[in-house]
Amino acid sequence: DAGVIQSPRHEVTEMGQEVTLRCKPISGHDYLFWYRQTMMRGLELLIYFNNNVPIDDSGMPEDRFSAKMPNASFSTLKIQPSEPRDSAVYFCASSFGLAGGGETQYFGPGTRLLVL
Amino acid sequence: DQQVKQNSPSLSVQEGRISILNCDYTNSMFDYFLWYKKYPAEGPTFLISISSIKDKNEDGRFTVFLNKSAKHLSLHIVPSQPGDSAVYFCAAAPGTYKYIFGTGTRLKVLA
Repeated sequence: DAGVIQSPRHEVTEMGQEVTLRCKPISGHDYLFWYRQTMMRGLELLIYFNNNVPIDDSGMPEDRFSAKMPNASFSTLKIQPSEPRDSAVYFCASSFGLAGGGETQYFGPGTRLLVL
Repeated sequence: DQQVKQNSPSLSVQEGRISILNCDYTNSMFDYFLWYKKYPAEGPTFLISISSIKDKNEDGRFTVFLNKSAKHLSLHIVPSQPGDSAVYFCAAAPGTYKYIFGTGTRLKVLA
């Protein structure tokens, strides 16, 4: 398996523009997670899905952020409108089950977003 | 409020010596703990985990220790190698729920 695939790897945009990040989880995994990494806060969970259904979006910073998972092999994280403080590395991860049962999460390579 | 804290942002160790990375947590409901390693331009990769019913788990050069009374977790790497240079994240989970990550510690192993 190719692992978790994310695109684009780098994104530079101007404030106010819409940004869409994409993720393809590992085949057969039923959980998908979106994280944001910043120097100050480390890795923060934004939202996670189980069987394509959003379960917990309490980490989504504000209404400008939205995530969808239309099918088991694809998810998007959208920021509209983008702001400079959204600049960070965004990771997608997938797993077969949740932590506690010994199931680890597999991370994609991340999308480095810079909002000017 | 950070429920999982890694108070040392960086650590330098000589090759062959022991590296000790520390992690503190505040939520007594956490019962599963993990360490992830991250190289530049890559996603974090799973390294080692420990359940709260144990106080030690070992995998080759890597050992994780859990002190529940102190709410403290540590990762020992012996002997340290230059290839171990990376950012290490600890994470905790309250049962079958989501991970809470720390801010990471950047380890540099000097040759």
